[in-house]
Amino acid sequence: AQTIHQWPVAEIKAVGSPLSLGCTIKGKSSPNLYWYWQATGGTLQQLFYSITVGQVESVVQLNLSASRPKDDQFILSTEKLLLSHSGFYLCAWSPGTTNTEVFFGKGTRLTVV
Amino acid sequence: GEQVEQRPPHLSVREGDSAIIICTYTDSATAYFSWYKQEAGAGLQLLMSVLSNVDRKEEQGLTVLLNKKDKRLSLNLTAAHPGDSAVYFCAVRAYQGGRALIFGTGTTVSVSP
Repeated sequence: AQTIHQWPVAEIKAVGSPLSLGCTIKGKSSPNLYWYWQATGGTLQQLFYSITVGQVESVVQLNLSASRPKDDQFILSTEKLLLSHSGFYLCAWSPGTTNTEVFFGKGTRLTVV
Repeated sequence: GEQVEQRPPHLSVREGDSAIIICTYTDSATAYFSWYKQEAGAGLQLLMSVLSNVDRKEEQGLTVLLNKKDKRLSLNLTAAHPGDSAVYFCAVRAYQGGRALIFGTGTTVSVSP
């Protein structure tokens, strides 16, 4: 069975500090990977997607970047956090790009102070 | 691009009653639809997915109806119980630029004993 693990579970960071969030998918080779962001009480907005190692495409620019250093790993980062980065970050995966299910991790709660 | 509207934003029902959530979408080419459940502070749990060639799907007390003519997707929680209290999101699969899912705005369902 496939599992998706996100780390850390929660972070409290200062404005202007760097950030790195991670996601690992086990049990599935070459998954499509996605990062979503959810403002408190809001809907989900896709940030990035990756179809293969080393390739990441941006969907929405929020002064964040993403990388896929390994087939099973997806990293979200920034060098300088803004207050507006606060929220819930969810990593997701799917077996393909067309009509397939998308599965989410448990998310990382980020509070920028 | 695809737009998804979801209603109602809040829904309060008594245990044993039905709760119906409706989403409308704009792109008639959309072919894959999902419903997710998000409990407080948690990630998204995939409840059910349907392809566009399915009009009705039932699983474990949930019924999904798809009306392609009206571009309307609904989720019916039959005989709701307190454990169903959560935020529910519809999502449609989109393919513009690798986007995975476009989400509705969410419905907060509260089931009282």
